Amino acid sequence: EDQVTQSPEALRLQEGESSSLNCSYTVSGLRGLFWYRQDPGKGPEFLFTLYSAGEEKEKERLKATLTKKESFLHITAPKPEDSATYLCAVRAGGSQGNLIFGKGTKLSVKP
Amino acid sequence: DGGITQSPKYLFRKEGQNVTLSCEQNLNHDAMYWYRQDPGQGLRLIYYSQIVNDFQKGDIAEGYSVSREKKESFPLTVTSAQKNPTAFYLCASSPGGRRSYEQYFGPGTRLTVT
Repeated sequence: EDQVTQSPEALRLQEGESSSLNCSYTVSGLRGLFWYRQDPGKGPEFLFTLYSAGEEKEKERLKATLTKKESFLHITAPKPEDSATYLCAVRAGGSQGNLIFGKGTKLSVKP
Repeated sequence: DGGITQSPKYLFRKEGQNVTLSCEQNLNHDAMYWYRQDPGQGLRLIYYSQIVNDFQKGDIAEGYSVSREKKESFPLTVTSAQKNPTAFYLCASSPGGRRSYEQYFGPGTRLTVT
């Protein structure tokens, strides 16, 4: 069964304290891995798409990487405005374009 | 401004009533999706449509219905048959071609049924 697991469930950082969020997956034929940011009470905001192992994408303080079993979202010198829930999703080979979402990691960055 | 709009933001209904959630997009995207989000759970797919006048059931379609009469619109009806309808509902759309797997979300509708 295709599955996506995100860890940790929650992460508290001090402003400037770099860290990483993990998304591990077991799917039959990965066709893409997606990262989203979701603020409370709002819809997810698209961040990155990764398609193959070794691929990396960056946006401001965020950097997403992909291996054959997992993806990491690295946050460098985070600021309080980076506080949000970060969602990971995968598209498997046989899912007709449907995404399988993890439960998310809730990030809190304190000043 | 291109985007996805969902209305209303908050919706309250009595048990036993059907309710329709609106989703409109002006991104010229081919595919549209409805998800349900509950606390502590990942997004779950209710219905999706890849082309006008065609749609498919997702993982949790029971108690829901949709229509896709126009490319821009994909309304979701939560029927009285849905046993636990209180949730945050998210609509998404995706472009065709190489980026067809990238889904872009609307702001959501929070439905409360009492």
